[in-house]
Amino acid sequence: TQLLEQSPQFLSIQEGENLTVYCNSSSVFSSLQWYRQEPGEGPVLLVTVVTGGEVKKLKRLTFQFGDARKDSSLHITAAQTGDTGLYLCAGPIYNQGGKLIFGQGTELSVKP
Amino acid sequence: GAVVSQHPSRVICKSGTSVKIECRSLDFQATTMFWYRQFPKKSLMLMATSNEGSKATYEQGVEKDKFLINHASLTLSTLTVTSAHPEDSSFYICSARGLGNYGYTFGSGTRLTVV
Repeated sequence: TQLLEQSPQFLSIQEGENLTVYCNSSSVFSSLQWYRQEPGEGPVLLVTVVTGGEVKKLKRLTFQFGDARKDSSLHITAAQTGDTGLYLCAGPIYNQGGKLIFGQGTELSVKP
Repeated sequence: GAVVSQHPSRVICKSGTSVKIECRSLDFQATTMFWYRQFPKKSLMLMATSNEGSKATYEQGVEKDKFLINHASLTLSTLTVTSAHPEDSSFYICSARGLGNYGYTFGSGTRLTVV
């Protein structure tokens, strides 16, 4: 069974601080995705990483895919209160109908 | 971009009744749809995968007689929670993929409250 272990599950920081969220697996994924979800809404795709060692940047967010494609990280620089939300990593299982499985999620709270 | 419409966004029903949730792909043909359940401050838990015209594949531990999934057309999938009980109260989210498209588009979710 392919699983995604996401950590930390809860994070409370002050505005301006940096943070990193990790997503790890013992299995290789063809790609990993990061989503952000607001309460009462569906998750919104932030980025998809496909190539081992890939680094993608989205403003203050930096996403990295491990060389072996078993792990990924999300780094936020100078967090803002607007970054508060639930961050989820997810990966597709193509030999099982392409279903997308999710990590446990990271509930981020950025305080002013 | 691809859009998935999920309806209703909120529903309150009495214990013992059934509730149907619809998931429509508005601008693409969804060959595969996925249904998730989410508890407060928790991640999305996959309930089932449905392919158009086929029976849904349920994840281990999900009661298929309780959560009926129909994917009769390339633009519509429905989840019916039968004989709902308070423990079925949750946030349900659908996701859709098109043929040859490896992207996943999510609906906005349905908050089900069973009283």
